[in-house]
Amino acid sequence: SQQGEEDPQALSIQEGENATMNCSYKTSINNLQWYRQNSGRGLVHLILIRSNEREKHSGRLRVTLDTSKKSSSLLITASRAADTASYFCATVYGNKLVFGAGTILRVKS
Amino acid sequence: EAGVTQFPSHSVIEKGQTVTLRCDPISGHDNLYWYRRVMGKEIKFLLHFVKESKQDESGMPNNRFLAERTGGTYSTLKVQPAELEDSGVYFCASSLGQGVVFNEQFFGPGTRLTVL
Repeated sequence: SQQGEEDPQALSIQEGENATMNCSYKTSINNLQWYRQNSGRGLVHLILIRSNEREKHSGRLRVTLDTSKKSSSLLITASRAADTASYFCATVYGNKLVFGAGTILRVKS
Repeated sequence: EAGVTQFPSHSVIEKGQTVTLRCDPISGHDNLYWYRRVMGKEIKFLLHFVKESKQDESGMPNNRFLAERTGGTYSTLKVQPAELEDSGVYFCASSLGQGVVFNEQFFGPGTRLTVL
């Protein structure tokens, strides 16, 4: 299976703190993406990092990729209550996305 | 520009009944995908259409699931008869292109299916 796995499964932090989520995958990749799902809403594409990149930033998001360890991390800085959601990493296999189990993030205000 | 839309947003049915989910992709997107998240587990691929043709249906769990995309526009996913383990959130996504070079898949809000 190429499915990624995220840890932690659940994370609860205070508003203003940073949140770090990790993802591991099993096969070689062309790129890795992170998605967010708010309760009752669809999946929103957050950021894509290519296999030849080690780090990428987008606003309060920072993604790292270590292809030697087949792992990636998503850091959300200065978290807000609105960041409460499930976060998934996904790799591309052929034309389909292969998702991990996700991390549930709760930001308390 | 309208995004991917799905209908209904939530469906509650009894075991053995039939349910049909609908997905309208972004206009002009030839590629349409169905995924589902069952019982809080990972999101899994079901199938991929290119226009009206099924490009990859390797993720379809069994023959109780039937997906169609007549005319290459909207798609339907029918579950007949529904079983308890079919409960979950069904996502639809569309993309302009496909292939090794990443073509972003835009997701709809999902349909939450509850089978009692």
